[in-house]
Amino acid sequence: DAGVTQSPTHLIKTRGQQVTLRCSPKSGHDTVSWYQQALGQGPQFIFQYYEEEERQRGNFPDRFSGHQFPNYSSELNVNALLLGDSALYLCASSHLRNEQFFGPGTRLTVL
Amino acid sequence: EDQVTQSPEALRLQEGESSSLNCSYTVSGLRGLFWYRQDPGKGPEFLFTLYSAGEEKEKERLKATLTKKESFLHITAPKPEDSATYLCAVQAGSSNTGKLIFGQGTTLQVKP
Repeated sequence: DAGVTQSPTHLIKTRGQQVTLRCSPKSGHDTVSWYQQALGQGPQFIFQYYEEEERQRGNFPDRFSGHQFPNYSSELNVNALLLGDSALYLCASSHLRNEQFFGPGTRLTVL
Repeated sequence: EDQVTQSPEALRLQEGESSSLNCSYTVSGLRGLFWYRQDPGKGPEFLFTLYSAGEEKEKERLKATLTKKESFLHITAPKPEDSATYLCAVQAGSSNTGKLIFGQGTTLQVKP
């Protein structure tokens, strides 16, 4: 059983550009959450998707948006990139509000 | 405001030297407390879920306990491969999505 997968593994962008990160949930999971983890910090909740709708949002600006597809996979989009957006972006999947299982993450570097 | 604080920030142990990591929390109605292990540059790996005060869970050399205000992760006779960052997270009962609120983590180094 494949766990949570994310792509790409690493990404380098320049300020002002836009980026799309992708996530496929663990088999049997229908809920996808996205987190941002700065170096040396714990993950911070961005938002969660269930039934193709954004269910809850953390304290992140509208530059961060997402989508969930009918097969439960999800995308995270970030527009107008800032240097401070450099971080490890983590996707976690779960069945409803049960335990969340994380993917390997996408390391985003903004120059 | 829901908050999680972990201590110490870093811990160095000799192989075989047992110790405990602390996770203190304030949350409006705890639905669950979660422990994860994270290796450098990788995603967190799920370890335990605790739901109510007095509950304990064990896995190999790790044992997690929960009180009304904090959780402990006890590491018995650690080995170098236990070196990692250990993250604690809570899920508030008021949340309709189960978002996780994380502490900053404790980085454990076990020397042979």
